[in-house]
Amino acid sequence: GESVGLHLPTLSVQEGDNSIINCAYSNSASDYFIWYKQESGKGPQFIIDIRSNMDKRQGQRVTVLLNKTVKHLSLQIAATQPGDSAVYFCAEGGANFGNEKLTFGTGTRLTIIP
Amino acid sequence: DAGVTQSPTHLIKTRGQQVTLRCSPKSGHDTVSWYQQALGQGPQFIFQYYEEEERQRGNFPDRFSGHQFPNYSSELNVNALLLGDSALYLCASSKQGIPPYEQYFGPGTRLTVT
Repeated sequence: GESVGLHLPTLSVQEGDNSIINCAYSNSASDYFIWYKQESGKGPQFIIDIRSNMDKRQGQRVTVLLNKTVKHLSLQIAATQPGDSAVYFCAEGGANFGNEKLTFGTGTRLTIIP
Repeated sequence: DAGVTQSPTHLIKTRGQQVTLRCSPKSGHDTVSWYQQALGQGPQFIFQYYEEEERQRGNFPDRFSGHQFPNYSSELNVNALLLGDSALYLCASSKQGIPPYEQYFGPGTRLTVT
């Protein structure tokens, strides 16, 4: 069945360094991929998305890379800050312009070391 | 501009009881999706409402039902509560067919079943 998984459950990064969070997905029909950040006691917060017709997209301090050949997604955060500490989820959706159900992975906890 | 709001924040129920959770979507959004997030897991899609109808459903039993009102707000009802229903229930809103397509999440309702 459909699944979205993550390679590492936890990641610790020194403040100011770059971090990379990886995600594997299994549904080759997925068309839309999103990264969410979830802080303790809050709902997931949208970070960045990418459509399957792209392989890279950049935002403010974040870059998402999509490799459809190996069904791999990554989130790069540049110059990490203490506020980046959170659980990060990748999610995949169908082709209905983001209004399909989202399938989430279990998440990676990112800890920024001061 | 109010984001997605959910009520109540926390709720404690006993096995066998029934519960109703409420969600108001972000202004301008017309689609509401509900997710269940168990502790340490990613959110799991329950169902989605658009135009007051259930449009998609995840792998959840009929004990889980919902409703969408003409003002786009939504309710999630769970009957015959089980201990395993204890989780954070998240509501997400979006706008059909109009970019950006991201789903905006509320802070969630923490349900504890004893």
